[in-house]
Amino acid sequence: DTGVSQDPRHKITKRGQNVTFRCDPISEHNRLYWYRQTLGQGPEFLTYFQNEAQLEKSRLLSDRFSAERPKGSFSTLEIQRTEQGDSAMYLCASSPRGGAFDTIYFGEGSWLTVV
Amino acid sequence: GEDVEQSLFLSVREGDSSVINCTYTDSSSTYLYWYKQEPGAGLQLLTYIFSNMDMKQDQRLTVLLNKKDKHLSLRIADTQTGDSAIYFCAERGAGGGADGLTFGKGTHLIIQP
Repeated sequence: DTGVSQDPRHKITKRGQNVTFRCDPISEHNRLYWYRQTLGQGPEFLTYFQNEAQLEKSRLLSDRFSAERPKGSFSTLEIQRTEQGDSAMYLCASSPRGGAFDTIYFGEGSWLTVV
Repeated sequence: GEDVEQSLFLSVREGDSSVINCTYTDSSSTYLYWYKQEPGAGLQLLTYIFSNMDMKQDQRLTVLLNKKDKHLSLRIADTQTGDSAIYFCAERGAGGGADGLTFGKGTHLIIQP
């Protein structure tokens, strides 16, 4: 399967713990996005990378969230000191180049439940 | 800011056509998309339309765009039980910023036997 891959698919953690999600984009896709989706809502933009550079962060991305894409390939999203409000599905997506004429492909998502 | 609106539920009989509607506010939208999400899964890109087009057909799917009214619709012909899912409309602006997608809240398509 050469689609966007995310790991783990499900994570249950206690409040206050740190969690990390990994995303492997489609090979040779330069742009990588992170979105968050809560129940009953559409996905909301969190941040994106062009190659290894993080170009924009949404105000939804508090100081407890950090994302990296060190070599311009896979990316990680870390949430520190998790809170119950962080419970959501975290979606990764990639596109070939970026820009208004690219198509964005999504992974299967990583479900986070904070108890 | 950008806003995308969809009705939350649509119920149709198996074999009938489904029409899912969406309105958006960003007049600079370049592409408009329809994604499908099955329970517990990620988003599957169904189809998209460039903003200078008014119709696109792809097998059972027909997308209609009224740019003047900022209205987008997705028609699914001969709806099957496998079409049961949440359908998200999304728009992509031509402006700066994330250059990503703004989604609606999704329309739950319910198929009656």
